[in-house]
Amino acid sequence: QQQVKQSPQSLIVQKGGISIINCAYENTAFDYFPWYQQFPGKGPALLIAIRPDVSEKKEGRFTISFNKSAKQFSLHIMDSQPGDSATYFCAAGFTGGGNKLTFGTGTQLKVEL
Amino acid sequence: DAGITQSPRYKITETGRQVTLMCHQTWSHSYMFWYRQDLGHGLRLIYYSAAADITDKGEVPDGYVVSRSKTENFPLTLESATRSQTSVYFCASGISANTGELFFGEGSRLTVL
Repeated sequence: QQQVKQSPQSLIVQKGGISIINCAYENTAFDYFPWYQQFPGKGPALLIAIRPDVSEKKEGRFTISFNKSAKQFSLHIMDSQPGDSATYFCAAGFTGGGNKLTFGTGTQLKVEL
Repeated sequence: DAGITQSPRYKITETGRQVTLMCHQTWSHSYMFWYRQDLGHGLRLIYYSAAADITDKGEVPDGYVVSRSKTENFPLTLESATRSQTSVYFCASGISANTGELFFGEGSRLTVL
């Protein structure tokens, strides 16, 4: 059972464009939603995270948008750069869950010159 | 060096053999996790540990055994490897609950022939 659904599976964006990755969850007990970035041959690393008490969080060129009623959240990468080319994972966890995260299936982003 | 290290980074074994993947962290984080990464499935939790001598099953625990006698070590053992266990395995640690922030190792790529 995939509790966090992520799309698209892959994405090609031109340099300077906006990359958008979407996730949807089913378990309403989830109350924090991190995004991870993974470069080839490396482990995932936390990029940005949001809690459902806010609808948007921005860190530099990266923005998370959160829609609690729709149970959806998305990552926007503004002014995408070739260095952003990586695999992105959304995830979800819940208070009292012992820091266990349920991950989406990942999006492979390629930013072309 | 401080951080989380996994060994071996690459391993080829045969069906039916026992394999142990090692994970060591120098931060004294309470929480430790083992995930496997497979194309189309993202990251799936195998086992996790909230503290030394406390372990619990994740989403896909069958065929795996873990132990945690010391806070810094969390080995994962495949008692009788199967081809379906061919995967990239990631160990992670977390400092506290409910933050969504996990620190991942660089992974162990296991091939079962």
